[in-house]
Amino acid sequence: DADVTQTPRNRITKTGKRIMLECSQTKGHDRMYWYRQDPGLGLRLIYYSFDVKDINKGEISDGYSVSRQAQAKFSLSLESAIPNQTALYFCATSPGGYVYGYTFGSGTRLTVV
Amino acid sequence: AQSVTQPDIHITVSEGASLELRCNYSYGATPYLFWYVQSPGQGLQLLLKYFSGDTLVQGIKGFEAEFKRSQSSFNLRKPSVHWSDAAEYFCAVGANTGNQFYFGTGTSLTVIP
Repeated sequence: DADVTQTPRNRITKTGKRIMLECSQTKGHDRMYWYRQDPGLGLRLIYYSFDVKDINKGEISDGYSVSRQAQAKFSLSLESAIPNQTALYFCATSPGGYVYGYTFGSGTRLTVV
Repeated sequence: AQSVTQPDIHITVSEGASLELRCNYSYGATPYLFWYVQSPGQGLQLLLKYFSGDTLVQGIKGFEAEFKRSQSSFNLRKPSVHWSDAAEYFCAVGANTGNQFYFGTGTSLTVIP
């Protein structure tokens, strides 16, 4: 099994629908991150969590919410999906910040129609 | 504010040729610099990182990068490219705020047989 697992891998949803992207990890890392990747824009941070009780907004958090259900699980929700949220979403984990490097999941490709 | 620029959106090289991917950064202090690779359908994988010391760092898969403070650059190189190196490459700088990365917009590498 992968160290960082994202589900679903692909999802097509309609405008206005609520959708949850899930991330689970077996690395035992405290820190978890959600990134969004758009062509020509690279990766941008949506939310990050240093532990179960510590959740922080990234640079593009509007329209998104997160839940850290356990050390190993970090979910991203779109309460009311809109087409410009169509993107590739990555979850990442780290034991203690960027100096240790991040472990990325394989991504969730989300299309909002 | 921290930022990373990858001037080349797309590069095409022949198999066996040398490769250099450019990365320029903007950071007020000594930067922590990284290169990640994203193979098709996969998450990002750490190639190498620079924190301090020797300005030429070696990474996995035969890649190396050289930190040049005077040019604010951290270019990635490989002497002889293999077809399996076709991927997207991201440069990133570690930021103190939130202990997170700032990613460049990526360079897509195509390898011609």
